[in-house]
Amino acid sequence: DIQMTQSPSSLSASLGDRVSITCRASQGIRTHLAWFQQKPGEAPKRLIYAASGLHSGVPPRFSGSVSGSEFTLTINSLQPEDFATYYCLQHHVYPYTFGQGTKLEIK
Amino acid sequence: QVHLVESGGGAVQPGRSVRLSCETSGFTFNIYSMHWVRQAPGKGPEWVALISNDENKKYYADSVKARFTVSRDNSKNALFLQMNDLRPDDTAVYFCARGNGPTRTLDYWGQGTLVTVSS
Repeated sequence: DIQMTQSPSSLSASLGDRVSITCRASQGIRTHLAWFQQKPGEAPKRLIYAASGLHSGVPPRFSGSVSGSEFTLTINSLQPEDFATYYCLQHHVYPYTFGQGTKLEIK
Repeated sequence: QVHLVESGGGAVQPGRSVRLSCETSGFTFNIYSMHWVRQAPGKGPEWVALISNDENKKYYADSVKARFTVSRDNSKNALFLQMNDLRPDDTAVYFCARGNGPTRTLDYWGQGTLVTVSS
C-alpha cells in the first residue's frame, strides 16, 4: 500500500497567517492527490483535486502544489473558519490512502 | 445540488451483520463511481470500498475484504454496503462519497452514519 506521510500533525497559527501542510507519498502517484478539510462532527470536504485544482466554491486563499513526490497545501491569510483538520488522499492506486491529518489551531 | 444521505447504522454485536444505504440526488448517479469511507472515533478517514458506475469494478481495503460487499441500484440512485462478521474495530462513522478519476475523486460526501460494534 502507498503510505502518505503528512506533516506537521498539528499547527498553531494566527488569523491572517500563511500556513503550509505537506504530504509525501511512499511511491509515485503522479498528481493523483486531493486535500480535504474536516471540522468536528462533519464530513470531510474536498478543497483541492489533482494536486492543484481548486474545488468549486473553495476560496482562492487555498492552493495546492507539487514538487517531486512532495505535495503542499497552502492557506493564505487564515480566516476563523479555516481552523480545522486537514487530510491528503492519494487516489493513484487501490487501496486509496489518507495522510494522518494536520490539526490547525488558533494561536 | 448534490445530496448524499447514509442510513442503516446503529449498535450491533460482534459477528453480526449490518447493511448501510446511501440515497443520492442532484446528479446523474449512473455515470459516477461511488465510495465508502469510514472514520473511527478520534481517528482519520480510512477508505473502505469503491464500486464503478456499472458495477463491473469493485475494490476493497484489506481490512474489510471478504467481509464487506459494496453494491448499487442505479434505478434507485442508491449505494449499499453489506457488512458481515463485524468486529469492534469496525466501529466508525461510515460515509458514502461520489466520484473517481483525476478530477472527480471523492468530490462530495454524505454526513455519515455511525456503526458501533460492541457486546
